[in-house]
Amino acid sequence: AQKVTQAQTEISVVEKEDVTLDCVYETRDTTYYLFWYKQPPSGELVFLIRRNSFDEQNEISGRYSWNFQKSTSSFNFTITASQVVDSAVYFCALKRNDMRFGAGTRLTVKP
Amino acid sequence: NAGVTQTPKFRVLKTGQSMTLLCAQDMNHEYMYWYRQDPGMGLRLIHYSVGEGTTAKGEVPDGYNVSRLKKQNFLLGLESAAPSQTSVYFCASSYSGGGSKNIQYFGAGTRLSVL
Repeated sequence: AQKVTQAQTEISVVEKEDVTLDCVYETRDTTYYLFWYKQPPSGELVFLIRRNSFDEQNEISGRYSWNFQKSTSSFNFTITASQVVDSAVYFCALKRNDMRFGAGTRLTVKP
Repeated sequence: NAGVTQTPKFRVLKTGQSMTLLCAQDMNHEYMYWYRQDPGMGLRLIHYSVGEGTTAKGEVPDGYNVSRLKKQNFLLGLESAAPSQTSVYFCASSYSGGGSKNIQYFGAGTRLSVL
């Protein structure tokens, strides 16, 4: 069975703080994909990153970085120097045949 | 480029009424999906389609039917709406295969209330 756990339901930080969103997954498959999506207050889902199970390289994109560790089944997302515009719900997802989403983490960045 | 378009954006139904949600994509994607989003539960897959004329059940298919008569359209039907179907519904589409092709792109969502 596939499962994604985002243990942090809500996080609140002050602008310019760094914040890490945790994602832990379960799967018996050796080939799978991991995703992060952002859902801003407007409601749409915005794709952020995709990582396949054979690629454990960390990725950095501007203020965003992702740490994929197969040994701990984790795919954590860090925002450096957070901004108010980062306020959103962030979803981690696991895909083998179908996509399974975590429950999401609501991030609030206060000015 | 419109991407994935869902209609309607909002709908209120009475228990027992029926309705159809329409999803249209202009990216020539083979795969299309319907999800529902409920508070505290993330998105759950209702049904999906890997090509024109084919559909399959997802994680929570009961109470819903789908059809994919054209490659660009994926319809979600509620034959007899129940209050438990109050939710936000998202449609998504993707190419088939692996690599960057399996990124799902989402519509803006349909907020449905069943009274």
